[in-house]
Amino acid sequence: GAGVSQSPSNKVTEKGKDVELRCDPISGHTALYWYRQSLGQGLEFLIYFQGNSAPDKSGLPSDRFSAERTGGSVSTLTIQRTQQEDSAVYLCASSPTGGYTGELFFGEGSRLTVL
Amino acid sequence: GENVEQHPSTLSVQEGDSAVIKCTYSDSASNYFPWYKQELGKGPQLIIDIRSNVGEKKDQRIAVTLNMTAKHFSLHITETQPEDSAVYFCAASSAGSARQLTFGSGTQLTVLP
Repeated sequence: GAGVSQSPSNKVTEKGKDVELRCDPISGHTALYWYRQSLGQGLEFLIYFQGNSAPDKSGLPSDRFSAERTGGSVSTLTIQRTQQEDSAVYLCASSPTGGYTGELFFGEGSRLTVL
Repeated sequence: GENVEQHPSTLSVQEGDSAVIKCTYSDSASNYFPWYKQELGKGPQLIIDIRSNVGEKKDQRIAVTLNMTAKHFSLHITETQPEDSAVYFCAASSAGSARQLTFGSGTQLTVLP
């Protein structure tokens, strides 16, 4: 398929452990976003990558969260020393351009459960 | 920053009836308003959007209206069908928004057969 691919689809971890979530965007899309969706809540912006520009990290909730995007393609969201409040679905989206009126193409998300 | 409020949080309608979801936004600079539909276990998918130079837009059974004076916009679904059951999110953004899209909290729409 040519859609946004995320892995793992489900991750259960113990409090205090580190986790990595992977996103493979649609080929050729220059913009990549991470959002967090907590139960019954909307989508909370985390971080935005656009081409070779410095990422917009303004949505990261704490310094335990970080993300990188290698070669302008695959992105990894890392959560260190996980806490129970980190439990959520982490959604990745990509867009052909970084324009604010562009359609976002979302993956199916990675559901993280912190015990 | 932008704040988007969405109501209602849940909505049940009989098949064939209409459904209306309303959103308000706070940033007067916002000028792009998309709506996303999220089916169970899937990522959100764009279903319709509207820009500030348009007051209403239709696409088959779906329509969106925008009132920039009042800072609110609405999604209208007519002749609802069971496959319309999903979570719907409104969103807003502007050229100056560092966070790109700001989403509402979502509406769980259930269409009863």
